[in-house]
Amino acid sequence: DTGVSQNPRHKITKRGQNVTFRCDPISEHNRLYWYRQTLGQGPEFLTYFQNEAQLEKSRLLSDRFSAERPKGSFSTLEIQRTEQGDSAMYLCASSLLAGTDTQYFGPGTRLTVL
Amino acid sequence: KNEVEQSPQNLTAQEGEFITINCSYSVGISALHWLQQHPGGGIVSLFMLSSGKKKHGRLIATINIQEKHSSLHITASHPRDSAVYICAVHNTDKLIFGTGTRLQVFP
Repeated sequence: DTGVSQNPRHKITKRGQNVTFRCDPISEHNRLYWYRQTLGQGPEFLTYFQNEAQLEKSRLLSDRFSAERPKGSFSTLEIQRTEQGDSAMYLCASSLLAGTDTQYFGPGTRLTVL
Repeated sequence: KNEVEQSPQNLTAQEGEFITINCSYSVGISALHWLQQHPGGGIVSLFMLSSGKKKHGRLIATINIQEKHSSLHITASHPRDSAVYICAVHNTDKLIFGTGTRLQVFP
């Protein structure tokens, strides 16, 4: 069990550029979640997948954000035309089961948009 | 008003003190989680509660479903307990998080 991994751990980009983050969940975990955390705040839900199906997207997820989990394993989160307000820690979590099962978090990707 | 409120926002303590962090929520939940976040971002799940009380080492978590309130207690606090403690509730299939309580324990 290698845990949930995220890459890159840090990303600095200029406003207007596109960025893509990757999350590798714990193998055999069916559920995969993306959260965003800004400084001094708790994480906020962005979206989640059951296998390859994206089941819910938050209103926080504007048209510039897209997430995929093409084969039901790893997931990518892409932000197009980044804005300074996108600067945050992007957290990924996975769980084996639906519902109230424990979610295991990755270390996060810290995005800084200059 | 946030759906999950935590108090206090910041807490300092001397090593050995008994610590209580409170969480109140206003939405229907199927479970409540207490999470620990260390500098650098890593989040670890401490407890998941749907009723009553759970204990793990020096940590105790309680929940009162009728009052929509939970507490996290740390007995005999230690500097290594310094972290941000986050309350999160399971609402439908997603977690709703509080803003966290930053705890610093000094030797």
